[in-house]
Amino acid sequence: EIVMTQSPATLSVSPGERAALSCRASQSVSDNLAWYQQKPGQAPRLLIYGASFRATGFPARFSGSGSGTEFTLTISSLQSEDFAVYYCQQYNNWPRTFGQGTKVEIK
Amino acid sequence: EVQLVESGGGLVQPGGSLRLSCSASGFTFSHYAMHLVRQAPGKGLEYVSTVSSDGIRTDYTDSVKGRFTISRDNSKNTMYVLMSSLRADDTAVYYCVKDLLAGSGAFDSWGQGTLVTVSS
Repeated sequence: EIVMTQSPATLSVSPGERAALSCRASQSVSDNLAWYQQKPGQAPRLLIYGASFRATGFPARFSGSGSGTEFTLTISSLQSEDFAVYYCQQYNNWPRTFGQGTKVEIK
Repeated sequence: EVQLVESGGGLVQPGGSLRLSCSASGFTFSHYAMHLVRQAPGKGLEYVSTVSSDGIRTDYTDSVKGRFTISRDNSKNTMYVLMSSLRADDTAVYYCVKDLLAGSGAFDSWGQGTLVTVSS
């Protein structure tokens, strides 16, 4: 199975600052990469699909990039509601696999 | 509005069985693959299983192969997961998830989850 590795495990950022989250696949997943946002006590929400397409309801400050094995989720100016855990997931191969998550916390 | 409502979770003894149901509304259920994802307490997301839109094709993560069976009834807009030979490490919140595409793509809409606790 494809192993997805996210870094860092925790990112401490001040509101208004930029955050960049990394996701690496153990083999190419083309652009079949999604990002999810999960807040405490809530189900995850699809944030990015196709590596760079923003899902409905998320503002333009969220962007995704990359292809193959290296991907990045960028939040251009962190707002209070953006502090959460972010997971990447590949849907190129079976079984689908998730990264272990990056927690974005308030600095 | 897409709605996915899981039911059937609860406390079960090791070695026991449980059937989860996921009732769907707000979209044409028969057009989309459906997935099961779990999250152990305090842990990350783990992919568990997929059933294709027509119910013919299924996929499982290795740790549940031979123990979990996923299925669907498109006439009832419902997905089912029969979980048997349950172990302590199956304890998790189980999410029912709709695919983004008619084929199989990203995991678009998530239910609220149902907690399965395996303990004696």
